[in-house]
Amino acid sequence: GIQVEQSPPDLILQEGANSTLRCNFSDSVNNLQWFHQNPWGQLINLFYIPSGTKQNGRLSATTVATERYSLLYISSSQTTDSGVYFCAVERGSGGTSYGKLTFGQGTILTVHP
Amino acid sequence: SAVISQKPSRDICQRGTSLTIQCQVDSQVTMMFWYRQQPGQSLTLIATANQGSEATYESGFVIDKFPISRPNLTFSTLTVSNMSPEDSSIYLCSVEVGDLGYEQYFGPGTRLTVT
Repeated sequence: GIQVEQSPPDLILQEGANSTLRCNFSDSVNNLQWFHQNPWGQLINLFYIPSGTKQNGRLSATTVATERYSLLYISSSQTTDSGVYFCAVERGSGGTSYGKLTFGQGTILTVHP
Repeated sequence: SAVISQKPSRDICQRGTSLTIQCQVDSQVTMMFWYRQQPGQSLTLIATANQGSEATYESGFVIDKFPISRPNLTFSTLTVSNMSPEDSSIYLCSVEVGDLGYEQYFGPGTRLTVT
């Protein structure tokens, strides 16, 4: 199956700092999403970004599908950004892979005041 | 987008018993998915549930342990059968929606503890 690797596994920041999270994947993808899991376990959709660049407030993401990686940028971090950030991909072969997300191991972000 | 609810939100169960988790979505969807998140781990797909057909299970998951129902286009259940402490996890359902792309949305999860 497709492999998804996220880095770094842990990240500790002071409030106001910027950060970049990386997601590498081993095969072509139809779908790539970034999620934030809050302390209560809820998965919050950040970006649907199989290719290209998107921005939403302090967050932006870029996926370079040909080179099989995606980056999530967090600027001016806040304590409420703390939690686990997951990258998830749907393999690009379609068929039996349709809709099936493979998750990376996540990046645990801690933002201190 | 989609609004998804799950019941129960959490439960503590005795080993050997079964628990049925419900997932309700606010719009009709073709496919629903069930994931498991073991403590401190990432999410793993258990099965895909299509209305009107048998669920398809991923490697390592079997129907006898995780029977799934999909009676209509807005509802699904997952049963965790004959539970052991190793089944303690968060169980999440998800749906895929979109016109230009297929973005998945997740329910709030059911936090299960087996004692």
